[in-house]
Amino acid sequence: NAGVTQTPKFQVLKTGQSMTLQCAQDMNHEYMSWYRQDPGMGLRLIHYSVGAGITDQGEVPNGYNVSRSTTEDFPLRLLSAAPSQTSVYFCASRTSGGPYEQYFGPGTRLTVT
Amino acid sequence: DAKTTQPTSMDCAEGRAANLPCNHSTISGNEYVYWYRQIHSQGPQYIIHGLKNNETNEMASLIITEDRKSSTLILPHATLRDTAVYYCIVLAYSGAGSYQLTFGKGTKLSVIP
Repeated sequence: NAGVTQTPKFQVLKTGQSMTLQCAQDMNHEYMSWYRQDPGMGLRLIHYSVGAGITDQGEVPNGYNVSRSTTEDFPLRLLSAAPSQTSVYFCASRTSGGPYEQYFGPGTRLTVT
Repeated sequence: DAKTTQPTSMDCAEGRAANLPCNHSTISGNEYVYWYRQIHSQGPQYIIHGLKNNETNEMASLIITEDRKSSTLILPHATLRDTAVYYCIVLAYSGAGSYQLTFGKGTKLSVIP
């Protein structure tokens, strides 16, 4: 299994540009989520999904959109990038139901100038 | 959600046991204690979790006090590769079977040669 994969690893955007961060998992996990991590801080939840076609907002959803058309993929869209969105973005997945461990991807480092 | 309190940083000599404390005095009866770690800005890695009983796996041991108000993660023989930020998380259930991991700032463990 590749686990949770994220692309790209690094990205530089100009203010106002849009882009999509890709996330995929091959473990048939129902639950997927996106976090952002700012320097010296813990992770904050942006959006999550409990299954294909179902998404919900986390702690810091503004400026981001998600969709879940398949079990495997959970892309994160930045609609109009702002410098405040400079961060490291992590995607994660786990099995739904019980208190199972969550698997994280390697992260995407995004800089908005 | 039960909050957690961890020391900001700790040192441990290589080969010695690392004992990382966590206070969660407002934990509810059905909330689990999870530990994750993050090595040098990689994606967080699951370590262990528990409800009431002490737990052990190939990575670590988790000791939960009888009143469940605190716990300790034990790395029995710390190596340089265990240098990381360690997060203690109390699992909060929300909505129809979904629950979210909430990350604080964690404890920066430095293993010293």
